[in-house]
Amino acid sequence: AQKVTQAQTEISVVEKEDVTLDCVYETRDTTYYLFWYKQPPSGELVFLIRRNSFDEQNEISGRYSWNFQKSTSSFNFTITASQVVDSAVYFCALSGNAGGTSYGKLTFGQGTILTVHP
Amino acid sequence: DAMVIQNPRYQVTQFGKPVTLSCSQTLNHNVMYWYQQKSSQAPKLLFHYYDKDFNNEADTPDNFQSRRPNTSFCFLDIRSPGLGDAAMYLCATSRDFSSGILGSGANVLTFGAGSRLTVL
Repeated sequence: AQKVTQAQTEISVVEKEDVTLDCVYETRDTTYYLFWYKQPPSGELVFLIRRNSFDEQNEISGRYSWNFQKSTSSFNFTITASQVVDSAVYFCALSGNAGGTSYGKLTFGQGTILTVHP
Repeated sequence: DAMVIQNPRYQVTQFGKPVTLSCSQTLNHNVMYWYQQKSSQAPKLLFHYYDKDFNNEADTPDNFQSRRPNTSFCFLDIRSPGLGDAAMYLCATSRDFSSGILGSGANVLTFGAGSRLTVL
């Protein structure tokens, strides 16, 4: 069975602070994909990043960066110099390689509510 | 812009009164999904269509049904809504992810804005 754990239920920071959202996953699949989605108050889940299990390179996109460590089954997300517009719920998710349509079946973590205060 | 559109955004119904939520997409994606997201919880997959093939999750109640009359549209029918069915219902789409094209982002889901269901 697959499982995604986001231990931080809520995080509150002041604008311009850096913040890291933790994600730990469990899977028996040899090939799998990890995702981060952002859910602003409007409700729509917005795709941020996808990583496959063979690619452990860290990635940076503007103020966002992701640290994937297979040895600790973690896929953490850091926002540098946070802004009020970053306030949202952030979900880490996992999909496996059970074959066929399983790749699209995301297992989500419980989400981390990030509030950035001015 | 190509997108996933859900209607209505807000739906209020009475206990036991059938409800239909709709989802349309202009992405021409093969796969369409319905997720249920209750307050402060993670989205939970109810079922999905791979083209016309319907795939139900094992724990999805029979009260939930779906129809996909064509590539662009998918409907979620709740036959007899209970108080516990109050939630945000999210439609999502993805490209065909048959073997060999996953590297192209084929399993990246594009979500609609959701339909929030209230049951009185």
